[in-house]
Amino acid sequence: QVQLVQSGGEVKRPGASVKVSCKPSGYTFTSSGISWVRQAPGQGLEWMGWISANSGNTKYTQHLQGRVTMTRDTSTSTAYMELRSLRSDDTAVYFCARDVNYRFDTWGQGTLVTVSS
Amino acid sequence: QSALTQPASVSGSPGQSITISCTGTSSDIGGYDYVSWYQQHPGTAPKLMIYDVTNRPSGVSYRFSGSKSGNAASLTISGLQAEDEADYYCSSYTSASTRVFGGGTKLTVL
Repeated sequence: QVQLVQSGGEVKRPGASVKVSCKPSGYTFTSSGISWVRQAPGQGLEWMGWISANSGNTKYTQHLQGRVTMTRDTSTSTAYMELRSLRSDDTAVYFCARDVNYRFDTWGQGTLVTVSS
Repeated sequence: QSALTQPASVSGSPGQSITISCTGTSSDIGGYDYVSWYQQHPGTAPKLMIYDVTNRPSGVSYRFSGSKSGNAASLTISGLQAEDEADYYCSSYTSASTRVFGGGTKLTVL
């Protein structure tokens, strides 16, 4: 079955960077895109961006442009999301999800990123 | 891109039906049939319940249905059960080639 396994939780200082990985299995990695979604404590879902696992093309939400980079490594079938210049309001659970025709049909387990001094 | 608008909370008794609305614009919901709905229980990842406005993934109960009219979409849950108590989010593709979520609706089964 399709699964997405994410890297473990992280604690970062303000101003630092974090890189979260997402390793899908159960399907051909390059056949679908990956979207990244975050959820601050007690808040709703926020779409961060998308990467085509095939071409590497990306699309980011406007307010994260310049701070977020999404990449993929086809040799290891892994997707990555890097967020820079971390602030306290970046504290959230970060999810990757398989993005098939603009729907998120399978989700990773989530990665808690805590930004604290 | 502003978030889609959902009611903060809805409630219903077991066996009843409830509807959750999701309002957008002509640049998202109104422009594309790419509306999806997600169920999220506390501490877990969201689960796809409806896609492309009306379609149910395999394994999702027939009690869940979706519709759209103009710039608004709706999720209806019939025959409410205790296990349906969760947060529900709508999502849409947008004219900027991005995706956008609603603010979420907390469903309480009385």
